[in-house]
Amino acid sequence: GEDVEQSLFLSVREGDSSVINCTYTDSSSTYLYWYKQEPGAGLQLLTYIFSNMDMKQDQRLTVLLNKKDKHLSLRIADTQTGDSAIYFCAESMGGNSGGYQKVTFGTGTKLQVIP
Amino acid sequence: GAVVSQHPSRVICKSGTSVKIECRSLDFQATTMFWYRQFPKQSLMLMATSNEGSKATYEQGVEKDKFLINHASLTLSTLTVTSAHPEDSSFYICSARTGFEQYFGPGTRLTVT
Repeated sequence: GEDVEQSLFLSVREGDSSVINCTYTDSSSTYLYWYKQEPGAGLQLLTYIFSNMDMKQDQRLTVLLNKKDKHLSLRIADTQTGDSAIYFCAESMGGNSGGYQKVTFGTGTKLQVIP
Repeated sequence: GAVVSQHPSRVICKSGTSVKIECRSLDFQATTMFWYRQFPKQSLMLMATSNEGSKATYEQGVEKDKFLINHASLTLSTLTVTSAHPEDSSFYICSARTGFEQYFGPGTRLTVT
């Protein structure tokens, strides 16, 4: 079955880089996502990567995918206090004939940015 | 990016009553919408997948007669919690898919007293 795991908590100083890690078990994952959730709010899609890619960079965000080890990471450069939130990784597998792809979420990593 | 709205954002109801939550994709059409439930400090739990014009597909352990889902149009899905009980109190989040991107609503905090 699908299983996505993350460390629960990460604390960094403002201006430093943050690296949030995620491991997954299903090798048939097609897309991998990173979402941000601020307190009391829904999830905001930050970025995603196709399973045939190793890296994707988008401004301060860098996603690295090691498909062999089933390891995904999100690096936030120059972390700001506004980056404090819970970050969820998620994987999506191939869909059925209707095109539905079930997304499985990780446990979430709470990022605390210290001024 | 695509915008998904939910209404209401917060609702308090008495035990035994029913509550309807609306989910709308504002600037795109979504053939598939998802309903999630999130307990405090936990990840999202997929409750059901809603396809426009057809019956919803419920995840194992989710009572379809208790959580009624209707996907009447390409931009609207509703979740009705029937005969709500205090254990139904939770944060309900809808999501809509466009292509391979999935966007989430802001969530609805349901409190059953």
